[in-house]
Order: sequence, then C-alpha cells, then structure tokens
Amino acid sequence: GQSLEQPSEVTAVEGAIVQINCTYQTSGFYGLSWYQQHDGGAPTFLSYNALDGLEETGRFSSFLSRSDSYGYLLLQELQMKDSASYFCAVRPPGYDSWGKLQFGAGTQVVVTP
Amino acid sequence: DAGITQSPRYKITETGRQVTLMCHQTWSHSYMFWYRQDLGHGLRLIYYSAAADITDKGEVPDGYVVSRSKTENFPLTLESATRSQTSVYFCASSDVGTLNTEAFFGQGTRLTVV
Repeated sequence: GQSLEQPSEVTAVEGAIVQINCTYQTSGFYGLSWYQQHDGGAPTFLSYNALDGLEETGRFSSFLSRSDSYGYLLLQELQMKDSASYFCAVRPPGYDSWGKLQFGAGTQVVVTP
Repeated sequence: DAGITQSPRYKITETGRQVTLMCHQTWSHSYMFWYRQDLGHGLRLIYYSAAADITDKGEVPDGYVVSRSKTENFPLTLESATRSQTSVYFCASSDVGTLNTEAFFGQGTRLTVV
C-alpha cells in the first residue's frame, strides 16, 4: 500500500515562503497531487506532477523526485487566505487500482500577520 | 447547477440506526468516491466506483454499503451506525482517461452518531 508522510503543521508570516514536504513509500504510482482545504470547506485541487521536476502555478509550485520518493509544495508570497490544510495524494499503479486516490494526513499552514 | 452535491449537510442519528448519505454529480464523471475525514487521519477512502454498477472497497469499508445504479448518483449507507462513524464524509468525482489525479469534492456531510 501507500504511505504518505507530511508535517502536521507549519507556521509562517505573511509574505514568507513555505515548503510542505511529502515523502512516500511505494513501488510506483501515477503521479503526485496536492489539494487545499480551508476550515469547514471541501478539498480543492491545486497541482499535479506526473514527471519529476517542478510545476509552477502562480504563487504555488510543486516538485516531484521519484528517485528520492519525495515531493513538495512551495507556497510563495504567503497571504492570510493561504491559511488552510494541504494534502498530498497519489494513485496506486495498476488499472484496477486507478480509483484508489489516497491522501496524506495533511499539513495545517498557519499564516500570521 | 453543475457540480457535485451532497445531502444532507448535517445529520445526527442514533447508534444502531441506518442512515444514507446522498451524492449527486452533473459532469457524468466515471469515477466517484466516498471519503471520511477525521482529525489526524486526513481523508480515508471508504469506497469508490469506476462506473455504474461497479464498486470497490477502499481503505476503511467496514460498516458501509454503497450502490451506483446511475452514473450521477453514489449513495453511502451506514447499515447500523456506531459512534466511531461520527465524522465528516466527502463525496468526490473524477474523470477517466487521464492520469491527472484531479478529483472534485462535494461540500461534505457532517454526521454525528449519538
């Protein structure tokens, strides 16, 4: 099975940069995704890395290194509205397992003035 | 309205009762999912469905039943509710044919079993 590990909480000030790491133990998977969830809200998709390297979407970037079993989400120019939980997620390999989108426990990002 | 909707948003039920959570999506996505979210555990997959009449277990299926007679609906039934099933339940849907893992989530149902 999959095991995704993330830090439980990260605190930073407005305007700072935060990196949320996601390490995993798996023999293979299709790619690494990131989701954001505000308190009381639904998770929403942020980014997807199918290949190794950096994907940039505005202030957010995501990175994947399969050889290191490691990925991260980078939040730049932090804003108060970025205070939320962030989850990494993977799909296990194999057609029969495609539906088993699995999530890490999430990282609570707290942005302070 | 287009999207994915869950009902009810809030539910209180008694131990031992059967309760059904509803999920409806308008995109005709092939895949639908049920997750539960508890503090410290993130999102745990209960069941998922690849298409109408095709369902499979996820990580924590015990005590739950699903069905999918139509593509757009994916109800989740707790056959005999227990206090340990107090949680926030999220339904999600996803298209097939792409390796992108983007899933679209409903607003959740907060279930309390007393």
